Amino acid sequence: DQQVKQNSPSLSVQEGRISILNCDYTNSMFDYFLWYKKYPAEGPTFLISISSIKDKNEDGRFTVFLNKSAKHLSLHIVPSQPGDSAVYFCAASAIRSSGSARQLTFGSGTQLTVLP
Amino acid sequence: KAGVTQTPRYLIKTRGQQVTLSCSPISGHRSVSWYQQTPGQGLQFLFEYFSETQRNKGNFPGRFSGRQFSNSRSEMNVSTLELGDSALYLCASSLGRGTGDEQYFGPGTRLTVT
Repeated sequence: DQQVKQNSPSLSVQEGRISILNCDYTNSMFDYFLWYKKYPAEGPTFLISISSIKDKNEDGRFTVFLNKSAKHLSLHIVPSQPGDSAVYFCAASAIRSSGSARQLTFGSGTQLTVLP
Repeated sequence: KAGVTQTPRYLIKTRGQQVTLSCSPISGHRSVSWYQQTPGQGLQFLFEYFSETQRNKGNFPGRFSGRQFSNSRSEMNVSTLELGDSALYLCASSLGRGTGDEQYFGPGTRLTVT
């Protein structure tokens, strides 16, 4: 049972336009969400995160939106650049106990291609 | 700061053999997590070590084991390799405090089982 789903395996966007990557989750215990970017032959790189007490977090060209009632989050990249072409993973975690580590549950990823 | 390093980067093994992968976390990070990435499966959590103790474990068979040393370096061992173990194995380090604790990934070890 996939608790974190990225239903679009790929997305193509023109340079300068907005890229919107979507992620849905089923576990209502998740309270912290992250986006990672992965280039081939490299490990995932942390992009941006959001706590469940917020509905929006912004960092430069990247904004993450969280809709808790719909159990949905999205990553907006504006403006998109060719260097943004990569696989994007969303991840979610729930605190297990006080002071305990968080186990990340990842989606299957979305390949973003930004066309020049 | 140096990033997370993993050795070796590539490995070819035969069915039935065992393999040990190594991960050196970012200096000061006490938590090391291991993930398996296979095509179509995304990243699946294997286990997490903190202060030389396994703190979390995913749904993998007992053939997958790990350990962490006093300097926070971690090793992962897979015994009796199967063809389905062919994957990219990633380790990630973090401070291990809990909330808001981003994980930083290494480049991975590509394991091929023939």
